[in-house]
Amino acid sequence: GAVVSQHPSWVICKSGTSVKIECRSLDFQATTMFWYRQFPKQSLMLMATSNEGSKATYEQGVEKDKFLINHASLTLSTLTVTSAHPEDSSFYICSARAGLRAFFGQGTRLTVV
Amino acid sequence: GDSVTQMEGPVTLSEEAFLTINCTYTATGYPSLFWYVQYPGEGLQLLLKATKADDKGSNKGFEATYRKETTSFHLEKGSVQVSDSAVYFCALSVDQGGKLIFGQGTELSVKP
Repeated sequence: GAVVSQHPSWVICKSGTSVKIECRSLDFQATTMFWYRQFPKQSLMLMATSNEGSKATYEQGVEKDKFLINHASLTLSTLTVTSAHPEDSSFYICSARAGLRAFFGQGTRLTVV
Repeated sequence: GDSVTQMEGPVTLSEEAFLTINCTYTATGYPSLFWYVQYPGEGLQLLLKATKADDKGSNKGFEATYRKETTSFHLEKGSVQVSDSAVYFCALSVDQGGKLIFGQGTELSVKP
């Protein structure tokens, strides 16, 4: 089946710094990727829809200037958490659409100290 | 808005026990329904899905039936194994599986 690779799997950063998370579709092209966020013991919440070659579509309440999404190619989307704060600590997970199915990356555990 | 509610975990069962994880949904229109599984240290994997009322999705001994009248999609397995220990997410989609709305996840722990 289709494989989505997300990197890094975990990262610890200092407050005020920026962190980039990569999501790659390894054996298929994905015109659309999705970024989700999951707090402990809670559901995955969609943050934004990333479209290749165009601006991402953000869900209500998600700060687009804080969570920068770039989808420069058909196999790569990146999420950059800018000026990270402890409240940004969470589990971030991407998915890529192939046909009528969504395939998920392994997720990234971000801890901001 | 659209939402998914699933039973809280953790659920702890002995091997070969019967499993039910409840899932109910609220949606406008006619969503597709999914169960995803997340094994420790891994990403989400699609377990099964159903795209219309009365459809039954099945995979690896797990089953779920799309019940429009009760807006439910409960996950069942007749005999669980230790290897089934994971977190299970119920989800819906109104656009054929791209953008998903998830329940909060139910952790299942199966003891030998």
